[in-house]
Amino acid sequence: DTGVSQDPRHKITKRGQNVTFRCDPISEHNRLYWYRQTLGQGPEFLTYFQNEAQLEKSRLLSDRFSAERPKGSFSTLEIQRTEQGDSAMYLCASALTSQSEKLFFGSGTQLSVL
Amino acid sequence: AQSVTQLGSHVSVSEGALVLLRCNYSSSVPPYLFWYVQYPNQGLQLLLKYTTGATLVKGINGFEAEFKKSETSFHLTKPSAHMSDAAEYFCAVSDNLRGANNLFFGTGTRLTVIP
Repeated sequence: DTGVSQDPRHKITKRGQNVTFRCDPISEHNRLYWYRQTLGQGPEFLTYFQNEAQLEKSRLLSDRFSAERPKGSFSTLEIQRTEQGDSAMYLCASALTSQSEKLFFGSGTQLSVL
Repeated sequence: AQSVTQLGSHVSVSEGALVLLRCNYSSSVPPYLFWYVQYPNQGLQLLLKYTTGATLVKGINGFEAEFKKSETSFHLTKPSAHMSDAAEYFCAVSDNLRGANNLFFGTGTRLTVIP
């Protein structure tokens, strides 16, 4: 499978716990994006990387959210001290810089905070 | 700032009937417009896009959309629905092609195809 893969598919956690999600982009894609999607809404941009550089993080939802892409390949999104309002689908997408508007999305990680 | 409005969160059509999914945009600059589709248990994928030039753009699986500046619309159509078209469709707008950080999605329209 050469698409974008996300792990885990589902995550159930208790309020206050930390969670980390992983995204493996298409191998030749140097751009990687994180989005959040809540019920009845479209994807909402959070942050993105050009290779290992995080080019925008101002739209991360709070300082509890952080993302890394240490070697310019896979990326992780961490949420610390989760809250019930963090419950959502977290989507990862990748793209070539030359076609940066053509996103390839993973199937997402569904987070439920109890 | 850019935004899109998708009229109708759910649309049902009979197999073989015309599919029309509506999208209106708001943009202070010439927009770039996109339709993405999400099939069950799959990630979103690009269906078609309008950047510049021809206002009628064709996408995959027989879909097309027409950019109408006067109506600020970018409606998605397909002449004859197929069962495999059942999915959720998202319209999106951007003010540039340099990156998807300025890509704003609508709330989506779920298409059901009735046999």
